[in-house]
Amino acid sequence: KQEVTQIPAALSVPEGENLVLNCSFTDSAIYNLQWFRQDPGKGLTSLLLIQSSQREQTSGRLNASLDKSSGRSTLYIAASQPGDSATYLCAVKNYGQNFVFGPGTRLSVLP
Amino acid sequence: NAGVTQTPKFQVLKTGQSMTLQCAQDMNHEYMSWYRQDPGMGLRLIHYSVGAGITDQGEVPNGYNVSRSTTEDFPLRLLSAAPSQTSVYFCASKKEGNTIYFGEGSWLTVV
Repeated sequence: KQEVTQIPAALSVPEGENLVLNCSFTDSAIYNLQWFRQDPGKGLTSLLLIQSSQREQTSGRLNASLDKSSGRSTLYIAASQPGDSATYLCAVKNYGQNFVFGPGTRLSVLP
Repeated sequence: NAGVTQTPKFQVLKTGQSMTLQCAQDMNHEYMSWYRQDPGMGLRLIHYSVGAGITDQGEVPNGYNVSRSTTEDFPLRLLSAAPSQTSVYFCASKKEGNTIYFGEGSWLTVV
């Protein structure tokens, strides 16, 4: 059974810092992996989708990498801003299975 | 650009009452699903559907029913509400292999 963990559970950084969020999964035979952002009281917004054949995806200041052999993905946020404060979740999909979500990392970017 | 629409956004039920959470999507997605999100538990899959007329159980299906009579709609029914069903419920949809889209969530309290 796929298990997804995210470390750290919470992170607080000053504005302007570059930061890395981590996602680990136990079953490396994945189909794809997706990173989401969730603001308080809101639904999840998709940030980046990485297919199993890809090593990374980029969107603006966000870069997500995937290393299937080690069961890890990282979300890199460059030049963080207070508006980046949210909970970030990763979700892993194996072939023929549904997405399994990690517990999330709560990010606070301080002005 | 409606995407995934959930109603109601907030609901308070008494123990034993029944209700239906509505979910509709206008993106012609085959796959639809319902999750519940609880503190410390992350997102857990309740039921899902891979197309009209097809539904299946997720990780935590007990106490919930679903149906998929059309591609657009995927209602979630609580048969006899219990306090343990107090949670935030999210509906999601996607095309195979693609990004998953979430609704804004439905906050349910059972007293």
